[in-house]
Amino acid sequence: QKEVEQNSGPLSVPEGAIASLNCTYSDRGSQSFFWYRQYSGKSPELIMFIYSNGDKEDGRFTAQLNKASQYVSLLIRDSQPSDSATYLCAVKYGGATNKLIFGTGTLLAVQP
Amino acid sequence: KAGVTQTPRYLIKTRGQQVTLSCSPISGHRSVSWYQQTPGQGLQFLFEYFSETQRNKGNFPGRFSGRQFSNSRSEMNVSTLELGDSALYLCASSPGQGGYTFGSGTRLTVV
Repeated sequence: QKEVEQNSGPLSVPEGAIASLNCTYSDRGSQSFFWYRQYSGKSPELIMFIYSNGDKEDGRFTAQLNKASQYVSLLIRDSQPSDSATYLCAVKYGGATNKLIFGTGTLLAVQP
Repeated sequence: KAGVTQTPRYLIKTRGQQVTLSCSPISGHRSVSWYQQTPGQGLQFLFEYFSETQRNKGNFPGRFSGRQFSNSRSEMNVSTLELGDSALYLCASSPGQGGYTFGSGTRLTVV
């Protein structure tokens, strides 16, 4: 069974700090990795995706991928109370499919 | 550019009934996937359609079915509803590479 695991949290950080969200996956055939943010009562929205080992930065967000360790993370710099949400990690495996396997999400709470 | 449109937003059904949910993807997106989200199980993949063909199916009973039309719009159907089918049903469309955009979802309550 292909799995994606996240710490459910809540992860509490003070405003302005760096929030670090982590995700591990079980299948080495995984090719693409996605981070979604979901506010309570809303649908998930894509923050960023990463395909290659290393870091990918987009504004205050940085995704980090280490395929050897089967580990992907999301760093949020200068965290704001508006970043408080559940962060979902998703993995796409190879082949002609757009099927995503989601982790259960980490609840982030940014304290003003 | 219009996003992914799901209708209806809310539904209340009785056990044993059937329901049909609709999804219109972003213009130009040929891939449509459906997910079920519940507090206990999180987001679970139901199925994916690409150019009117089901390309992948999740581990759900045969009561869950779907289809895609030539204009890429998709419907999913759940027959013989059970209480456990109460969930947020999300549709996502993709151009093939990159991210997947979700619709606002249909919240189904089975009573």
